[in-house]
Amino acid sequence: AAGVIQSPRHLIKEKRETATLKCYPIPRHDTVYWYQQGPGQDPQFLISFYEKMQSDKGSIPDRFSAQQFSDYHSELNMSSLELGDSALYFCASSQTSGTSGPKGSYNEQFFGPGTRLTVL
Amino acid sequence: GNSVTQMEGPVTLSEEAFLTINCTYTATGYPSLFWYVQYPGEGLQLLLKATKADDKGSNKGFEATYRKETTSFHLEKGSVQVSDSAVYFCALSAYQGAQKLVFGQGTRLTINP
Repeated sequence: AAGVIQSPRHLIKEKRETATLKCYPIPRHDTVYWYQQGPGQDPQFLISFYEKMQSDKGSIPDRFSAQQFSDYHSELNMSSLELGDSALYFCASSQTSGTSGPKGSYNEQFFGPGTRLTVL
Repeated sequence: GNSVTQMEGPVTLSEEAFLTINCTYTATGYPSLFWYVQYPGEGLQLLLKATKADDKGSNKGFEATYRKETTSFHLEKGSVQVSDSAVYFCALSAYQGAQKLVFGQGTRLTINP
């Protein structure tokens, strides 16, 4: 079965550079979530999109932005990278059922393998 | 706000031992509860879930029961295997409203043969 695809799997950047992470959800999934997992830490929610609109926002720095495109893939853009941005970035997707949208009943999130970002 | 607290790790057991990883939560309303597992170098995989009080989630010999009265969702397995070595995360999602997952700090489990 198709899974969530993330690219690249590994990324090394210098401080103050920019990075773009991509996420391709499972076919027919309409909701994408981004999480950040620092070394030895639990994943922290960053942002989510439903039908190409931002549906929720967590602890995402202003230096980061994200969007979901017409084909439902999503990109996380990170600028002015800092050492503390080094982490594993996960994307997850879900299929939001019915007409209640993302505020309705829970829909299982399927996680991608993650992108490991190292900032030097 | 919503939060999840897991027992501190790491946990080391011998093969065939009984496993319990404690998880308690704080949430408004009626959250859904989950256990995710992360194997080395891999992403998060859903292990089991429960969406309402007294529900029991189970998968691959693991079980957890949603206890509203004690706000707990402890993970148990009767006989662990070396292949169960991984990091386990307890998580919740507010049933009404935001769908984001709130994770506990994770428990690293190592099973020795």
